[in-house]
Amino acid sequence: DQQVKQNSPSLSVQEGRISILNCDYTNSMFDYFLWYKKYPAEGPTFLISISSIKDKNEDGRFTVFLNKSAKHLSLHIVPSQPGDSAVYFCAASPLAQGGSEKLVFGKGTKLTVNP
Amino acid sequence: GAGVSQTPSNKVTEKGKYVELRCDPISGHTALYWYRQSLGQGPEFLIYFQGTGAADDSGLPNDRFFAVRPEGSVSTLKIQRTERGDSAVYLCASSLGSGGQEEQFFGPGTRLTVL
Repeated sequence: DQQVKQNSPSLSVQEGRISILNCDYTNSMFDYFLWYKKYPAEGPTFLISISSIKDKNEDGRFTVFLNKSAKHLSLHIVPSQPGDSAVYFCAASPLAQGGSEKLVFGKGTKLTVNP
Repeated sequence: GAGVSQTPSNKVTEKGKYVELRCDPISGHTALYWYRQSLGQGPEFLIYFQGTGAADDSGLPNDRFFAVRPEGSVSTLKIQRTERGDSAVYLCASSLGSGGQEEQFFGPGTRLTVL
């Protein structure tokens, strides 16, 4: 059973427009959420995170929104650039259990930004 | 500085053989993780080391899988009697410690193919 779900396997947007990637989770013990970006033949790279005590975290063109009641988070990229084309993974961690422990990943969404 | 490195980058083996996959974490990182990414899936947690000890090995699928980190730095993931279903990319990650919300830095992975 998938505890972290990314229901869109792919997303295509035009350069300069907004990209919105969605993620749902089922485990109410998750209290720390992350987005990773992955290029082919490379390991995932950390992008942005959010703690459950917040509902928004912004870093440059990237903003993550968290809706705890809906167990839903989203990543907004504005404006999208061709270099953003990659697979984006949503991940969650039960941080309250103590420390930097295992991450539970979704299946990923492949984002393509067209010039 | 050097990131997480993994060797070999590719490993092809025959069913029933034994393989070892190596991970060199970022210098000074005390926490080390192994994940496995099958085709079309997100990374799946296998085991987490804090120093030399395995703090959480709940993700190891069965007793054919074993990992060590004898000196608290380099780690080796060992798979006995490999099966075709073991074919995947094996990712290693490290983080500074277990102080919570520590970013996990991933290596490029080892692609294991069991024929």
